[in-house]
Amino acid sequence: QVQLVESGGGVVQPGRSLRLSCAASGFTFNSYGMHWVRQAPGKGLEWVAFIFSDGTNKYYIDSVKGRFTISRDDPKNTLYLQMDSLRAEDTAVYYCARGRGMTVTVRFDYWGQGTLVTVSS
Amino acid sequence: DIQMTQSPSSLSASVGDRVTITCRASQSISSFLNWYQQKPNKAPELLIYTSSNLQSGAPSRFSGSGSGTDFTLTITTLQPEDFATYFCQQSYSTPYSFGQGTKLEIK
Repeated sequence: QVQLVESGGGVVQPGRSLRLSCAASGFTFNSYGMHWVRQAPGKGLEWVAFIFSDGTNKYYIDSVKGRFTISRDDPKNTLYLQMDSLRAEDTAVYYCARGRGMTVTVRFDYWGQGTLVTVSS
Repeated sequence: DIQMTQSPSSLSASVGDRVTITCRASQSISSFLNWYQQKPNKAPELLIYTSSNLQSGAPSRFSGSGSGTDFTLTITTLQPEDFATYFCQQSYSTPYSFGQGTKLEIK
């Protein structure tokens, strides 16, 4: 069965860095685009970043451009989110999600359990 | 960027009721609209994709409709496990924005 397991969250000071990982299993990882979606405490969902199945294209929400980098290691079936220059407003549960369908028909059909990132001094 | 607005933000209903949640896009997104259900402290789950397609495993009491800017999610015959928060999400263009959510509570 499809499984996505995030790790790497924690408490970090503003301006510092953190790298999240998402270990995938149960499907052909290199056939799917992958996404990060976050949810601030008590708030709604916010799409953060997307990487194509072949890793050639990456997209980000404006608020993280230049600070976050999405990447993938297909032999390891792992998705990453490198988060630099963290801000208090980046505090959230971060979910990785599998993208099913082409670009405009994409939907997030499997999600991990999430990992909490808290940015605080 | 495309803004997604859901209404209502919260809704009280009883088991057995029929409920409808609305999602409006700030510009036309054709049929590229998905719906998710999220229960407390859990990851969201996909219910409906591309406006009206029921995700495998989702109960048939859930249905979606709409195109352009206006969309609806309908739940017929509410079950106790349906009380949750529902989000719409457009896939027409990045950033793939979500609605603010509709919390469905037991009356």
